[in-house]
Amino acid sequence: GENVEQHPSTLSVQEGDSAVIKCTYSDSASNYFPWYKQELGKRPQLIIDIRSNVGEKKDQRIAVTLNKTAKHFSLHITETQPEDSAVYFCAAQKGGSASKIIFGSGTRLSIRP
Amino acid sequence: DGGITQSPKYLFRKEGQNVTLSCEQNLNHDAMYWYRQDPGQGLRLIYYSQIVNDFQKGDIAEGYSVSREKKESFPLTVTSAQKNPTAFYLCASSSQGLGNQPQHFGDGTRLSIL
Repeated sequence: GENVEQHPSTLSVQEGDSAVIKCTYSDSASNYFPWYKQELGKRPQLIIDIRSNVGEKKDQRIAVTLNKTAKHFSLHITETQPEDSAVYFCAAQKGGSASKIIFGSGTRLSIRP
Repeated sequence: DGGITQSPKYLFRKEGQNVTLSCEQNLNHDAMYWYRQDPGQGLRLIYYSQIVNDFQKGDIAEGYSVSREKKESFPLTVTSAQKNPTAFYLCASSSQGLGNQPQHFGDGTRLSIL
């Protein structure tokens, strides 16, 4: 069935260093790949997304890359700051907006001062 | 997002009892979703609805029921058949614009067993 695998499950980086989270999806028909950030006890919030017709997208310190051939996509956070500490979820969706979205299992990112 | 309201924030269920979690949105979104989140885990889809009076089972629908009588509302009932209901429940909605649109989440309801 449809599946999204996310690695690593936990990640600790020194403040100022970069963090990379990787996801692999199984359904080649997936065409939309959002990333969500969830702080402890709060709602997930969209931080960046990418569509299948684009290979890379950047927004300030955050970037996402997509390799459709290999069916994997990655989140890159540069110059990490304490407020980047949270759980990050990748997701994949195919078809229209109302189709179901498959989430990865999450990565707990900790930024060491 | 202020556009999606979940209530209550905390809910306690007695054994054998059905409880209903509320989700209301004023974003004019057609699609709505219910997810269950267990500690340290990802989001698992319970039910979703693409349009009023229609809904589909997600990956873990057993022990749950939903209704979609109004576009703005998508309540979730946790029935007594759900033997392990303790979890964080998140409601989300999305529009049906050109191409896929991101989901907007509510603040969640934390359900515990008494």
